[in-house]
Amino acid sequence: QSALTQPASVSGSPGQSITISCTGTSSDVGGYTYVSWYQQHPGKVPKLMIYDVSNRPSGVSNRFSGSKSGNTASLTISGLQAEDEADYYCSSYTSSRTLVFGGGTKLTVL
Amino acid sequence: QVQLVESGGGVVQPGGSLRLSCAASGFTFSSYGMHWVRQAPGKGLEWVAFIRNDGSDKYYRDSVKGRFTISRDNSKNTVSLQMNSLRDEDTAVYYCAKDGAYGFNYDYWGQGTLVTVSS
Repeated sequence: QSALTQPASVSGSPGQSITISCTGTSSDVGGYTYVSWYQQHPGKVPKLMIYDVSNRPSGVSNRFSGSKSGNTASLTISGLQAEDEADYYCSSYTSSRTLVFGGGTKLTVL
Repeated sequence: QVQLVESGGGVVQPGGSLRLSCAASGFTFSSYGMHWVRQAPGKGLEWVAFIRNDGSDKYYRDSVKGRFTISRDNSKNTVSLQMNSLRDEDTAVYYCAKDGAYGFNYDYWGQGTLVTVSS
């Protein structure tokens, strides 16, 4: 059960857009629509931001969007705000009937 | 509103056992699968186990298979994780999480309970 691959860190200035990638295989990200994204502020509980590749739960800002191409899913945050600074994790269902997270990406708002 | 409250964490010696519980409220518990997810200190999230809404199917990560058992009681709105043969690497905050309506995501999380495996 190898973790999905995410960049360790990304950064951007307020108002800019950033994209965080999440690379897996055809046995997980590429094979299912069960890809989701989570935001976790330090010392806080993770929060669901995107589910089923590109769907936003009620209450999540439309500045957050998700997509997938092949074995790579992406989370894009537009109009960066200071409050977006957090750790972000992707998750996927796998063909082994398990779930797997990415290693996490630390977003810094400059 | 949805509430998930974990309990049962603590300090245990390697090889020991611990049982975590999660009390759910604010939704029709018997309609949703439930997950346990853990996070070691300073590390990332790690999925541990999943149980379907009716308990008919259970999935585990490889490193806990044969040692951990997930179960649920739909009459009491609780999900549990029995952890045996605990190892140092099981030290983490353990979160109970509700499966989303469309499956295989975690739409609500508890506050977590800390399990420390140490001699």
